[in-house]
Formats: sequence, structure tokens, C-alpha cells
Amino acid sequence: GAGVSQSPSNKVTEKGKDVELRCDPISGHTALYWYRQSLGQGLEFLIYFQGNSAPDKSGLPSDRFSAERTGGSVSTLTIQRTQQEDSAVYLCASSPLAGGRTDTQYFGPGTRLTVL
Amino acid sequence: AQSVTQLGSHVSVSEGALVLLRCNYSSSVPPYLFWYVQYPNQGLQLLLKYTTGATLVKGINGFEAEFKKSETSFHLTKPSAHMSDAAEYFCAVSEASGTYKYIFGTGTRLKVLA
Repeated sequence: GAGVSQSPSNKVTEKGKDVELRCDPISGHTALYWYRQSLGQGLEFLIYFQGNSAPDKSGLPSDRFSAERTGGSVSTLTIQRTQQEDSAVYLCASSPLAGGRTDTQYFGPGTRLTVL
Repeated sequence: AQSVTQLGSHVSVSEGALVLLRCNYSSSVPPYLFWYVQYPNQGLQLLLKYTTGATLVKGINGFEAEFKKSETSFHLTKPSAHMSDAAEYFCAVSEASGTYKYIFGTGTRLKVLA
């Protein structure tokens, strides 16, 4: 079946602009994660959605970052007033959460964000 | 708190040689461990995972890893490197509770020499 998809694949923006990154998880997967991959910081957790529960936003680096998940499926990560340090690859992952901690997370190809 | 350490940010091996990528973890609870591979401009693909049971885990593309509790290690090996193995490899542990998010190591870039 279809895997996790993300759009756009690449985004170049100017400092101070807002950007929206989209993630389509695997159908039926209830858990959705956003991670950021940047030089010097490695892969870091940003936010987690599970069904209709309140999201875990503990990894968001600042209040310029927000995310939503509509209808338990598609998710959008929004970065307001982008800064150069926001340049990174943003990865989305989903898991069925049937097994919880042992579940495999399936990753999308990522969105490469460049802030000029 | 849980953490993962990958020794060696870059590893080079000759084609046909043994691949050994090191991963050590820290966890106060039994860890669930994962190895992922990332090819250029692609997302992460699961190679293998350890949850419970047999400590030697076999994965895709001929890779395997052994969970050694006494050494807090989960090293990834492949007997014979292939050019197509050139990629970045990440070791991760899933959080013990809550979101079960992954805590990743910093990654090891594998280069295979002809």
C-alpha cells in the first residue's frame, strides 16, 4: 500500500515568512510524529498526535511552531516568521500504535526547508 | 532518561568487508531498539528492531544486530559490504512510556570503497 507522503519535497523561503508542511500518514495509522533533522542537532522529536487525544507538543522548539491533524489523518506543521536556524529536513512518521512501544514508525521522504 | 550513542560519525569499509556500526544505549527500563537506514534524499527505512525474545535480530539486506544487555549495546553488522549499502544509519530507542517517540543517535555515514 501507499506509504507516508509529504509535501512539498523542497521549500525555499525568505526569513520572516510563514511556511506550511504537509504529511499524509499511512491509512489506518493512529499515531503521527514530526521530527526535524538538522546539521549539528541530528534527529529530534517535535510533536506527536494519537487519535483524538491532545497532542504532545513537548518537542516544539518555539511558539513559532505549531501543528494540527485534521480528521485523524492529514497533518500540517506550520512555522511562522521563519528563521535561518529553522532550515532542516522535516520528517513525518506514522505508526499503527497497535503494539505501542514496539510499533515500527514508518517515515515519509521529508520536506527540505531552506530559509534564506 | 533514555539516550543512544553511535560511535563514529563516518565509517569506511571496502566492498566485501565486514560492516560494524556501533550503538550503545542508556535506559532505566528494558529498551526497545531500532536500526534505520537513510539513503540520499530519502526518508528512514527500518532495517531491524529488537523488542523481546531472541537477542540476535536479523533484518533486511543481510544486516543483523545483537542486543547485549551487559554491554548496553546493539551493534549492527553485515558480513560482506556491498556498494549499495552506502547510506546513513541511525540507531534509536523508543521512549518507555507516553508517546513512544524515538530517541535517535547522531547517525553513522557508511562509505563503501570499491
